[in-house]
Amino acid sequence: EVQLVQSGAEVKKPGESLKISCEASGYTFANYWIGWVRQMPGKGLEWMGNIYPADSDTRYSPSFQGQVTISADKSITTAYLQWTSLKASDTAMYYCVRQRNYIELDFWGQGTLVTVSS
Amino acid sequence: DIQMTQSPSSLSASVGDRVTITCQASQDISKYLNWYQQKPGIAPKLLIYDASTLETGVPSRFSGSGSGTDFTFTISSLQPEDIATYYCQQYDKFPLMFGGGTKVEIK
Repeated sequence: EVQLVQSGAEVKKPGESLKISCEASGYTFANYWIGWVRQMPGKGLEWMGNIYPADSDTRYSPSFQGQVTISADKSITTAYLQWTSLKASDTAMYYCVRQRNYIELDFWGQGTLVTVSS
Repeated sequence: DIQMTQSPSSLSASVGDRVTITCQASQDISKYLNWYQQKPGIAPKLLIYDASTLETGVPSRFSGSGSGTDFTFTISSLQPEDIATYYCQQYDKFPLMFGGGTKVEIK
């Protein structure tokens, strides 16, 4: 059974750094792109970018390029999303997703709620 | 970026009704469109890919059609468990882009 299990909710202050995780199981982690999707409070879905764990090829949506870093450790089948300096506007739910054939987001993590507030 | 416009943004229908949602792309995306369902408080779920192919395990009352710039998502007979927000998503061009969502409620 494919599962993506994300790390728990975070409350941070503006300017702090953060790294959230997504542990995959039930399939060959290296062979599927893993992406991240943002959902701001009460809003729609935004695809942020993805990574191919086999070779760490990483792509970012232009809207998120330079704002976050996506990485993966295939030895522990875990993907990460990190920020170096959080802003209040980063407050959102973040989902990791398995991207079948790159294009279909067929399995989703349960989401990690990130709250940034002074 | 390709912009995806869904309509309506919300709708209210009775159990058993036929429900239709449209998704329009800002340019030709062939059949490269997926549909997702997001129930309140949980992660989205893939329902349809390639504009009209039902994901395994998805009830047959859900269907999709269209190509080019205009797409339709239909629930043939609305059930109480279909209360959710539905999103289209294009994959013709990078970056992947979602529509704004359609919230479906029971009247």
